[in-house]
Amino acid sequence: EAQVTQNPRYLITVTGKKLTVTCSQNMNHEYMSWYRQDPGLGLRQIYYSMNVEVTDKGDVPEGYKVSRKEKRNFPLILESPSPNQTSLYFCASRPSGGNTIYFGEGSWLTVV
Amino acid sequence: QQQVKQSPQSLIVQKGGISIINCAYENTAFDYFPWYQQFPGKGPALLIAIRPDVSEKKEGRFTISFNKSAKQFSLHIMDSQPGDSATYFCAARWGADTDKLIFGTGTRLQVFP
Repeated sequence: EAQVTQNPRYLITVTGKKLTVTCSQNMNHEYMSWYRQDPGLGLRQIYYSMNVEVTDKGDVPEGYKVSRKEKRNFPLILESPSPNQTSLYFCASRPSGGNTIYFGEGSWLTVV
Repeated sequence: QQQVKQSPQSLIVQKGGISIINCAYENTAFDYFPWYQQFPGKGPALLIAIRPDVSEKKEGRFTISFNKSAKQFSLHIMDSQPGDSATYFCAARWGADTDKLIFGTGTRLQVFP
């Protein structure tokens, strides 16, 4: 089954404790992105990647890092999480020759 | 300007009625305008999309109307059903080779029987 898989789905962590949210897609898509969804703000793009080793900032990259060492994986790293990073995070992917973006199920992150 | 402004924030429609959600943008560099549907606890899913060289696109009960000169586009849901109750997001893409996507703030649609 074609899918975008995120882990963990739910996480409560403390301020300053580094964490990584993993994302993997099994569709051989070139493009991958991370978004955060907050009430009243919609989805905002954090980072996107057009292929292995090619990444670029979205609208809200501060406090986040990403890497794309393999085509299927695109982890989101919070080096020193803060409470304002409490949010619902979505990973997404799409093929370079298509327009349809496939979203993961989301990861609820709470930073206390 | 990179914003995409979406309205209304919430919408209540009777079953069988027409739901209309509007979006406006400023940047003429946007090349693709999708609408996403999101059910609670799920990720957004592509509903329908349009390119700026087309004024209307229809897929079943869902229609996008696009007004390039006004920089506005809207989603019309005909014969709205309770199963359409979800949050809808419009979006605009910066360019096919960048994957940079700007979303509207979302519209929560409730369709009552």
